[in-house]
Amino acid sequence: NAGVTQTPKFRVLKTGQSMTLLCAQDMNHEYMYWYRQDPGMGLRLIHYSVGEGTTAKGEVPDGYNVSRLKKQNFLLGLESAAPSQTSVYFCASSYPSSYQPQHFGDGTRLSIL
Amino acid sequence: GQQVMQIPQYQHVQEGEDFTTYCNSSTTLSNIQWYKQRPGGHPVFLIQLVKSGEVKKQKRLTFQFGEAKKNSSLHITATQTTDVGTYFCAENYGGSQGNLIFGKGTKLSVKP
Repeated sequence: NAGVTQTPKFRVLKTGQSMTLLCAQDMNHEYMYWYRQDPGMGLRLIHYSVGEGTTAKGEVPDGYNVSRLKKQNFLLGLESAAPSQTSVYFCASSYPSSYQPQHFGDGTRLSIL
Repeated sequence: GQQVMQIPQYQHVQEGEDFTTYCNSSTTLSNIQWYKQRPGGHPVFLIQLVKSGEVKKQKRLTFQFGEAKKNSSLHITATQTTDVGTYFCAENYGGSQGNLIFGKGTKLSVKP
């Protein structure tokens, strides 16, 4: 099993460009999450999903959109990239309980110039 | 809003020395999770604490949950170079939705 797979691993964008980060999990997890990690800031939740077709805002949702059309996939979109969105993005998934561990992908390093 | 404070931010130790990181919350927690992130890697789940006063051990790692369920600690005995990384605590704030608030982490470096 691959676990949680994120693509791409690295990307450089220019301000104003758009892109989509892909997350796929093969563990049949109901819950999926998108985080961003910045130096000294820990992990901050952007958006999350508790099931296919449902999404919700996390702590820092502005400038991002998400979609969960299939249970195994969770997409994160940047409509108009800004330098402040330069970060490492992690996707995670878990079984449907607050007592279950989250499983993380390897991350996507995104730079906005 | 709900916050989890984690200290220290950095810790440099000589191999063989002990290491402790602490997490403190402003509210009573239902549970707390600990994760480790190696340099350049992704967070990996270590353990979860649920009960008041709970103590769990994983080899040289000891995890404690405070009696009031507002604080937690991770202690590593006799650090090794393989312990290098950032250790995060995470508290649940999303009810059944599994949402976690992560502390800012303690970055551990170990000098051989």
